[in-house]
Amino acid sequence: GQQVMQIPQYQHVQEGEDFTTYCNSSTTLSNIQWYKQRPGGHPVFLIQLVKSGEVKKQKRLTFQFGEAKKNSSLHITATQTTDVGTYFCAGHGSGYSTLTFGKGTMLLVSP
Amino acid sequence: DGGITQSPKYLFRKEGQNVTLSCEQNLNHDAMYWYRQDPGQGLRLIYYSQIVNDFQKGDIAEGYSVSREKKESFPLTVTSAQKNPTAFYLCASSILPGAFTEAFFGQGTRLTVV
Repeated sequence: GQQVMQIPQYQHVQEGEDFTTYCNSSTTLSNIQWYKQRPGGHPVFLIQLVKSGEVKKQKRLTFQFGEAKKNSSLHITATQTTDVGTYFCAGHGSGYSTLTFGKGTMLLVSP
Repeated sequence: DGGITQSPKYLFRKEGQNVTLSCEQNLNHDAMYWYRQDPGQGLRLIYYSQIVNDFQKGDIAEGYSVSREKKESFPLTVTSAQKNPTAFYLCASSILPGAFTEAFFGQGTRLTVV
């Protein structure tokens, strides 16, 4: 079955440092979605990428979808304490009607 | 306000007892999902439903059962056959099944079996 791997599993940064999490799929994806889960909370949708090579920005967050549509990344510039949480990527494979989630990257930001 | 409501937030049960987790949505979404979250394991799909009176097994359906008698409701029963039921359970919905639709999650139910 389809597998989505995400690295790193955990990262601890100082406030102001950059952060990147990477997502790799075993198969070509129709799309990639990113979610954020705050500690004790539930996942909240951030963004969706659909096109090969697509790049989208949301303020300090930059999302990329690889040319082969098998990998993606989320980059946060100048992290803030409000960025703390676990970031999940998730994708639909061709012919799949459900999302496959990566295991997530937990981000801790120290002031 | 539209959204997904899961209840209760915390649930304790004795080993060997069945327990039903509630999930209600007023978003008029067709598709609903149940995920299980364990530390370091991400979200694993238990069951999903694309339409009323129909549902399919996900990756870890053993020991669980669901029903979808109404569009708004998708309860999950954790049976005594589930070997390790203690976990955080998340219900989600999307406007349509399939690609290009985002998932909206409920607040989750943390189940502890003692």
